[in-house]
Amino acid sequence: QTVVTQEPSLTVSPGGTVTLTCASSTGAVTSGYYPNWFQQKPGQAPRALIYGTTNRHSWTPARFSGSLLGGKAALTLSGAQPEDEAEYYCLLYYGGARVFGGGTKLTVL
Amino acid sequence: EVQLLESGGGLVQPGGSLRLSCAASGFTFSSYAMSWVRQAPGKGLEWVSTLRGSGSGTYYVDSVKGLFTISRDNSMNTLYLQMNSLRAEDTALYYCAKHRGSTSPDLDFWGQGTLVTVSS
Repeated sequence: QTVVTQEPSLTVSPGGTVTLTCASSTGAVTSGYYPNWFQQKPGQAPRALIYGTTNRHSWTPARFSGSLLGGKAALTLSGAQPEDEAEYYCLLYYGGARVFGGGTKLTVL
Repeated sequence: EVQLLESGGGLVQPGGSLRLSCAASGFTFSSYAMSWVRQAPGKGLEWVSTLRGSGSGTYYVDSVKGLFTISRDNSMNTLYLQMNSLRAEDTALYYCAKHRGSTSPDLDFWGQGTLVTVSS
């Protein structure tokens, strides 16, 4: 059973920078896993932020960026805002099947 | 404006069946793959199933294979999830989500979800 692992929780100061990561139990994450990132706030549906490793959707603020880092997919938030406090999920593609990470609760404090 | 509206959730007894619907608007439905994703109360997201835009190519998480069936009616712009032999662990908010293309792995738009509760 494939497991995708994210940090359970992270804290960033307002205006600060934080990187969330997404690891696969099958080995290094590459662009072929098409990493997607989603933001979910309490009581709301998830909102797509990043697709295909590095691409922002038209509505994604420029302070969010996606990359590959040390064999993992990564989401970097530069210049954190209070409204960025949320749960963040990555999604990896395994040639048909897809697996979400367990989510990272990001606190802006 | 893309809109996805799920319906069909409710309370069902263990072993029962339910069919979820997702009515889509604001895009050419037949040109896009669609997925179902669920979220158990207080838990994370779990991918359930994906269906390509043409209707061929279906994929399921192992725990629902042979129990759930994803389908679509492109003439009605509607995605379905037929859920049989439901178990307590299927209790969740079920979201439908649109992909960026007919075979694209990437998701963009999500609905607001429909709640399925499996309990006696």
